[in-house]
Amino acid sequence: EAEVAQSPRYKITEKSQAVAFWCDPISGHATLYWYRQILGQGPELLVQFQDESVVDDSQLPKDRFSAERLKGVDSTLKIQPAELGDSAMYLCASSVNLGLSYEQYFGPGTRLTVT
Amino acid sequence: AQKVTQAQTEISVVEKEDVTLDCVYETRDTTYYLFWYKQPPSGELVFLIRRNSFDEQNEISGRYSWNFQKSTSSFNFTITASQVVDSAVYFCALSEANNNNDMRFGAGTRLTVKP
Repeated sequence: EAEVAQSPRYKITEKSQAVAFWCDPISGHATLYWYRQILGQGPELLVQFQDESVVDDSQLPKDRFSAERLKGVDSTLKIQPAELGDSAMYLCASSVNLGLSYEQYFGPGTRLTVT
Repeated sequence: AQKVTQAQTEISVVEKEDVTLDCVYETRDTTYYLFWYKQPPSGELVFLIRRNSFDEQNEISGRYSWNFQKSTSSFNFTITASQVVDSAVYFCALSEANNNNDMRFGAGTRLTVKP
């Protein structure tokens, strides 16, 4: 069964360092999402791609976060510099296409700890 | 603005008991989807069900059932004859057509099923 792949699964970094997460969506899925999930809360959307274009990044803290999906396939989310408050689970999801009728499939997430 | 409330933070039951997880939502849109996801300790979000705003039919899938009532803006989830493997955090989510299809999650309900 096709799955969304994410790496690394765990990352510990010191504050002010740069950190990057990678996501490979299910093959053929045009839409890719990055979510942040703080412990004890539900996931919050950070950025949404349709192919290589950003559809929605209104919740992305652009002073320190950046995301790209250069070839419309895999994607990288970067934080520079990391802050203590960035400690969270970062989840990637993909769907066949935009639209309410397409369900999102989630990867296992990257758990980030900033010390 | 769309909002999802899961008032039950934690629920603990004994195996074979039935349990209902509550979800109340707020939206001004007439076209929207409601979702339930399961998040086991491994971290990935597992899709359980999607229901659109025009379909109030209740659904049953094995031991799982969902009750959608637009009159009370609720989309409750019942597990019949619970099992230890049902232990997880369960999230209800809402996606609106007029909000870029962004999926907004509730805070989740942690279900513990004891043997």
